[in-house]
Amino acid sequence: DGGITQSPKYLFRKEGQNVTLSCEQNLNHDAMYWYRQDPGQGLRLIYYSQIVNDFQKGDIAEGYSVSREKKESFPLTVTSAQKNPTAFYLCASSIQAKVNTEAFFGQGTRLTVV
Amino acid sequence: DAKTTQPNSMESNEEEPVHLPCNHSTISGTDYIHWYRQLPSQGPEYVIHGLTSNVNNRMASLAIAEDRKSSTLILHRATLRDAAVYYCILSSTGSARQLTFGSGTQLTVLP
Repeated sequence: DGGITQSPKYLFRKEGQNVTLSCEQNLNHDAMYWYRQDPGQGLRLIYYSQIVNDFQKGDIAEGYSVSREKKESFPLTVTSAQKNPTAFYLCASSIQAKVNTEAFFGQGTRLTVV
Repeated sequence: DAKTTQPNSMESNEEEPVHLPCNHSTISGTDYIHWYRQLPSQGPEYVIHGLTSNVNNRMASLAIAEDRKSSTLILHRATLRDAAVYYCILSSTGSARQLTFGSGTQLTVLP
């Protein structure tokens, strides 16, 4: 089935370690997004990519990095520079050229840094 | 970017209609109005979207004010599975930064 897959669902890391969250889609979408969600809050945009080998910072990019070497993959690295990395991370994709189409979200990765 | 304002929470009784409001007084002519919902510990799910005219689909209806400064998501018969956070979002063809989410409305459905 077509969709967007995030892995792992739960991730635990020690403070000071970098960690990479996976996001893969087989929908042939050009645009991909990473969001962060804290308890009781809405989604905040970290990074987005409109096309392969291109990406832009969102509202809270500090302490995060991304790459877009393949159309179907948009991994997010949470670096040690991110001061409060414990959160629920969501990846999404959409057809870039058509705004009036829906975005598809993964099931999220819950990152806990201890 | 144009922003939206939604009530923090709403309650509804099961099998009754629910009207979820959204204000977007600074909406531009190219902004589409999208609604998503999110169940606990899951990713958001698309509900409906529109530009100027009212829209219906199998999940809900979207009523857009004539001046487009507000809109209402209508769930015709609420079920317990409709309990979720509902997000009203503006998405513009002129902006590369699409799908900016706010805090949304927490809908509680009472049996």
